Amino acid sequence: EAGVAQSPRYKIIEKRQSVAFWCNPISGHATLYWYQQILGQGPKLLIQFQNNGVVDDSQLPKDRFSAERLKGVDSTLKIQPAKLEDSAVYLCASSLDLIQPQHFGDGTRLSIL
Amino acid sequence: EDQVTQSPEALRLQEGESSSLNCSYTVSGLRGLFWYRQDPGKGPEFLFTLYSAGEEKEKERLKATLTKKESFLHITAPKPEDSATYLCAAQRSDSNYQLIWGAGTKLIIKP
Repeated sequence: EAGVAQSPRYKIIEKRQSVAFWCNPISGHATLYWYQQILGQGPKLLIQFQNNGVVDDSQLPKDRFSAERLKGVDSTLKIQPAKLEDSAVYLCASSLDLIQPQHFGDGTRLSIL
Repeated sequence: EDQVTQSPEALRLQEGESSSLNCSYTVSGLRGLFWYRQDPGKGPEFLFTLYSAGEEKEKERLKATLTKKESFLHITAPKPEDSATYLCAAQRSDSNYQLIWGAGTKLIIKP
């Protein structure tokens, strides 16, 4: 089966600019997650969707980050405006449901200049 | 506060030298303990889920075990291709079954 697809793989922007990431989960997976991973740390959950509804966004910096899941399939994560501390890898994961193992894409490496 | 701690941070072994990685957890209402492997530039790859103390799971040279306070990932006669960062995560039985992640152990196997 095809894995989780993410694009772009790399992005370099200047602070205060905006950026968007795209994720296509594994077919049939109801739950979708966006994580932020800083080098040397474990993933930090930003937002969790069940179908097209938000389950948890308590750690999403809502003044600058937004996310949506279109028709319960693809998802986009946006940062506007970006700050230097947003430099990280943004990982998308999906699972069959809330309790099943999560499967990850290869992430987008974001560098803020 | 829920917490997952992995040790050591990094481990260098010679090819064929067996060892164990530790994952200690403090989670109220543990539903399961997950192990993932992460290669540089890649997303985490799912390895195992353990649900109850005493449970063991194996995959090739890897064996994961679980107690009430910690989990171990035993690696037997490792090869250079086993080099990666190994992450563990504890899944809560409430709070939308979210994963509490450790920071990982970077394993380097020298030929």
